[in-house]
Amino acid sequence: QKEVEQNSGPLSVPEGAIASLNCTYSDRGSQSFFWYRQYSGKSPELIMFIYSNGDKEDGRFTAQLNKASQYVSLLIRDSQPSDSATYLCAVTLALQKLVFGTGTRLLVSP
Amino acid sequence: DTGVSQNPRHKITKRGQNVTFRCDPISEHNRLYWYRQTLGQGPEFLTYFQNEAQLEKSRLLSDRFSAERPKGSFSTLEIQRTEQGDSAMYLCASSLRNQPQHFGDGTRLSIL
Repeated sequence: QKEVEQNSGPLSVPEGAIASLNCTYSDRGSQSFFWYRQYSGKSPELIMFIYSNGDKEDGRFTAQLNKASQYVSLLIRDSQPSDSATYLCAVTLALQKLVFGTGTRLLVSP
Repeated sequence: DTGVSQNPRHKITKRGQNVTFRCDPISEHNRLYWYRQTLGQGPEFLTYFQNEAQLEKSRLLSDRFSAERPKGSFSTLEIQRTEQGDSAMYLCASSLRNQPQHFGDGTRLSIL
C-alpha cells in the first residue's frame, strides 16, 4: 500500500463547476496535510494546508480533513480553465519531509 | 525575486559525468529540502537540512549522491558517475521550522 494515494485522473469538469479531489494516507501519525498545484513542466506550488479535522477555506479552495478516515480532500469552486493542472496531495510527520501522492490531473473545459 | 532559487534550470550531461546543482533558499528559512521527481510521479524526498546540519537522508540517496549546506544558507547536491536512471527534475524547497515548504523552479537533469 502506498503511503499517500490519489486517483491519477484525469478529472474533467466544465468551467464554473466544483472540482473535488481526494487523497488517502496510510500513516495515522501524519500531522500536516498539504495540497500543491503543479503545471506541466513547472514546480509544485502550495495552495492549501490543513492541520486539524474539519474544513479550511481560502478563496475558491476548501481543504477537508478527516483523520479518523485518513482522508483529505480539496474542493475547487467555480473552476476555471487556468485551474487545469496536476494537484499533489502531501503529508508530513511533524512538519518534516513531505510524502507525496502521484497527483490527480484536473482538466477544466471552457 | 525572494523565492527559492535553483541553478542551473537545465543540465544535459553524458553518462558517467559528475553534476552539481545549487539551491538558494528563501533568506530567513532555516530548513532546506531536496526532492527528485520523475514523469508521472510525485516528488520523492532525498534529504533535508536544518541550518547546516543534515538531519535525514532517504535510502534513495545512494553513495553517488552528496548534499551540503556549509554555512546554513545555500545548498549543493552533487551526483557522481551519473546513470540513465538519474534523469529527473531535482527540486529544492525551504521552510521555517513549523511552516509549509515552498519549492524552487527545479533543475531538470537529462543523461545522454
